[in-house]
Amino acid sequence: DTGVSQDPRHKITKRGQNVTFRCDPISEHNRLYWYRQTLGQGPEFLTYFQNEAQLEKSRLLSDRFSAERPKGSFSTLEIQRTEQGDSAMYLCASSPGQAYGYTFGSGTRLTVV
Amino acid sequence: QKEVEQDPGPLSVPEGAIVSLNCTYSNSAFQYFMWYRQYSRKGPELLMYTYSSGNKEDGRFTAQVDKSSKYISLFIRDSQPSDSATYLCAMNTADSWGKLQFGAGTQVVVTP
Repeated sequence: DTGVSQDPRHKITKRGQNVTFRCDPISEHNRLYWYRQTLGQGPEFLTYFQNEAQLEKSRLLSDRFSAERPKGSFSTLEIQRTEQGDSAMYLCASSPGQAYGYTFGSGTRLTVV
Repeated sequence: QKEVEQDPGPLSVPEGAIVSLNCTYSNSAFQYFMWYRQYSRKGPELLMYTYSSGNKEDGRFTAQVDKSSKYISLFIRDSQPSDSATYLCAMNTADSWGKLQFGAGTQVVVTP
């Protein structure tokens, strides 16, 4: 087990383009979380899944953002029509269930130019 | 006002000293409290996880939770230069488990 894996590590995109990030959680973890972190701030909650079900979404997650977790394994986060304000570190985490701490991946750093 | 407040630092201490970190919060429904360490350009790493009030010790780390004061602390004994990082507190409620509320993080610098 190599922990939570995120791909790509870095992404530079032009404003208006669509981007997709992938997260592979720890294999026995049924909960998967997406957070966004900007410089000098703590991570902000975006959404989370229990198996394939998306249980909660933040109001931060506008219509341009969508997340999926087909078959309850890996997850993807897509941002459509990117804006400069979307530039941030996108963090994925997983846990084996409720009342456990999260294990975070190293994140995907998005830069929108 | 943010639900979780944390002094951003930087907090500079000499090697071997005790590092004292804390967070205050406003939501009395928070029950689960965590401390994460984050190195530059890396994801947060879970250090301590506690439920409700009390103390928890793990090696050089001690976490304290005082729910009556809405105040949590992390102490690092015998600090090392490798402890230089940003420390984030995080907490959530039982009915919104997936939604951690993080503090902004405190940058710690341990000088040799």
